[in-house]
Amino acid sequence: EPEVTQTPSHQVTQMGQEVILRCVPISNHLYFYWYRQILGQKVEFLVSFYNNEISEKSEIFDDQFSVERPDGSNFTLKIRSTKLEDSAMYFCASSVGLADNEQFFGPGTRLTVL
Amino acid sequence: GESVGLHLPTLSVQEGDNSIINCAYSNSASDYFIWYKQESGKGPQFIIDIRSNMDKRQGQRVTVLLNKTVKHLSLQIAATQPGDSAVYFCAEKFSGTYKYIFGTGTRLKVLA
Repeated sequence: EPEVTQTPSHQVTQMGQEVILRCVPISNHLYFYWYRQILGQKVEFLVSFYNNEISEKSEIFDDQFSVERPDGSNFTLKIRSTKLEDSAMYFCASSVGLADNEQFFGPGTRLTVL
Repeated sequence: GESVGLHLPTLSVQEGDNSIINCAYSNSASDYFIWYKQESGKGPQFIIDIRSNMDKRQGQRVTVLLNKTVKHLSLQIAATQPGDSAVYFCAEKFSGTYKYIFGTGTRLKVLA
């Protein structure tokens, strides 16, 4: 069964450093999403992406964040200058169609900012 | 701001019993709702969805009920099994957006 994959599973970085989190969505999916989940808290929407453009972003997704689909398979989330409060699980998701189609989530990347 | 909330943080049920997990949402403009299951160390897994023009939808062993009058969503799991133990989230989508708002989650514990 096709699945969304994410790398790395765990990323440790120093405050102020740049990190890139990588995702490979399901191959025939057209819509891509990033979410984060701070430990013990609820899943929070960051951004949705379609046709090489951001469709929507939340207030969390400020200028420190960017997304890119550099080739036909990868979907990346970049945090330019990490802060302690960026420590969280970051989930990538993809769906075939518009936002009310089932979203398939990856296993997540745990980001720890020291 | 608008948010989705869950009434019970932890629900313990006996194996074989039915489970009911509740969710309150506050945005009357939401037009689509999803229940997710999240097992430890894994990403959310889609269980069932419902559009705002419906009040009930059934899947395999699961039923979602939507009461728009009181802005309430519930997930019913029939004959709960040990494999159902997980955290369950509801999520709502605001009409006209591609943005989902998640609830805080309910932990379901299935007792043997």
